[in-house]
Amino acid sequence: QVQLVQSGAEVKKPGASVRVSCKASGYPFTGRYIHWVRQAPGQGLEWMGRIIPVTGATIYPQSLQDRVTLTSDLSISTAYMDLSRLRSDDTAIYYCATDGGNHDFDDWGHGTLVTVSA
Amino acid sequence: QSALTQPPSASGSLGQSVTISCTGSSSDVGRFGYVSWYQQHPGKAPKHLMYYVSQRPSGVPDRFSGSRSGNTAFLTVSGLQAEDEGDYYCSSYADTDIWVFGGGTKVTVL
Repeated sequence: QVQLVQSGAEVKKPGASVRVSCKASGYPFTGRYIHWVRQAPGQGLEWMGRIIPVTGATIYPQSLQDRVTLTSDLSISTAYMDLSRLRSDDTAIYYCATDGGNHDFDDWGHGTLVTVSA
Repeated sequence: QSALTQPPSASGSLGQSVTISCTGSSSDVGRFGYVSWYQQHPGKAPKHLMYYVSQRPSGVPDRFSGSRSGNTAFLTVSGLQAEDEGDYYCSSYADTDIWVFGGGTKVTVL
């Protein structure tokens, strides 16, 4: 079965950067796209971007495109989300999710809590 | 791109039905058939419930159904069970190759 195992919780200071990883198993890594979605405490879901692992092509929402970078390493079936110039309102649970081509989010990682605090 | 609009809450009695709306625009819900729905229980990751407006992934009970009319999509949960209580989110692919979510609907089973 598909498993997406994410890296552990992070605590960062404002202005710093964070990297969250997402290791995939149970399917051919090049066979699905990877999205990143975040959820601030008590809030809804926010789409952060998508990467096509086989080509490295990415797309981001305008609200985050100057601070978020998505990459992937095919050799270890792992996707990464880098977020720079962190602010307190970036405090959230960050999820990776696969997209098998139906423009949706079919399998999800367990989430990674990133806390931004001085 | 604005988020999709969902009612903040909905409720229904055990065994009854509840329908959640998800209103977008002609740039997302109304234009593309790529509307999906997710269920989230407290402290858990979202779970995929529906794709292509009305298609259920394997393992999702047929008590869950989806539809669309114009710029609004709907998720109906029939035969409500206690475990259906939780938050529900819609999502749509949109113009300029982006994805948008609804604000979420908290479903209470009475």
